[in-house]
Amino acid sequence: SQELEQSPQSLIVQEGKNLTINCTSSKTLYGLYWYKQKYGEGLIFLMMLQKGGEEKSHEKITAKLDEKKQQSSLHITASQPSHAGIYLCGADIRDSGYALNFGKGTSLLVTP
Amino acid sequence: AAGVIQSPRHLIKEKRETATLKCYPIPRHDTVYWYQQGPGQDPQFLISFYEKMQSDKGSIPDRFSAQQFSDYHSELNMSSLELGDSALYFCASSPRQGYEQYFGPGTRLTVT
Repeated sequence: SQELEQSPQSLIVQEGKNLTINCTSSKTLYGLYWYKQKYGEGLIFLMMLQKGGEEKSHEKITAKLDEKKQQSSLHITASQPSHAGIYLCGADIRDSGYALNFGKGTSLLVTP
Repeated sequence: AAGVIQSPRHLIKEKRETATLKCYPIPRHDTVYWYQQGPGQDPQFLISFYEKMQSDKGSIPDRFSAQQFSDYHSELNMSSLELGDSALYFCASSPRQGYEQYFGPGTRLTVT
């Protein structure tokens, strides 16, 4: 959606390196969701952030929410080939009830 | 853990035909969302249901309709199919509005 900007669009990192993906909303965030998608497959729920300053972790993936900037960052530590895929942020901005507006996604490739 | 079930997983239809997609939410989830993801696109919200009542509408064409049944499963009915309807259709379920949304594996619809 145009309300949600995700960067970078694509990322190639060497195995073991850290990386960060950002998602910025132009509207008030009531919830920010992170998903991972393999091409042509379903969206795998990673985590949901609702409160400013909230930080959640799932294995080597950490996401934070900056309420003032209406922004979230997803950080992967010591990347592995299994982290490869498309990362999507989805925002609950209450323009269609509780439905999510999605960013364009970040395509991540992890090289050996 | 039980996940969202969608059927069929793949569907091939001709122009002007009709199609019905089914979604079985996670047990005890009362909210269902339908999203459409075109090739290379981010998911777009179509319609949602809460406690068997239509909750919100997004960019759902008038040719499409949906409902949620007494057992909470939902069906998306698509008529007068067009080539542009070819996409992945996802159903997501949530324990209640504003909570985590868990996506199903999707139905890939191809209109020829």
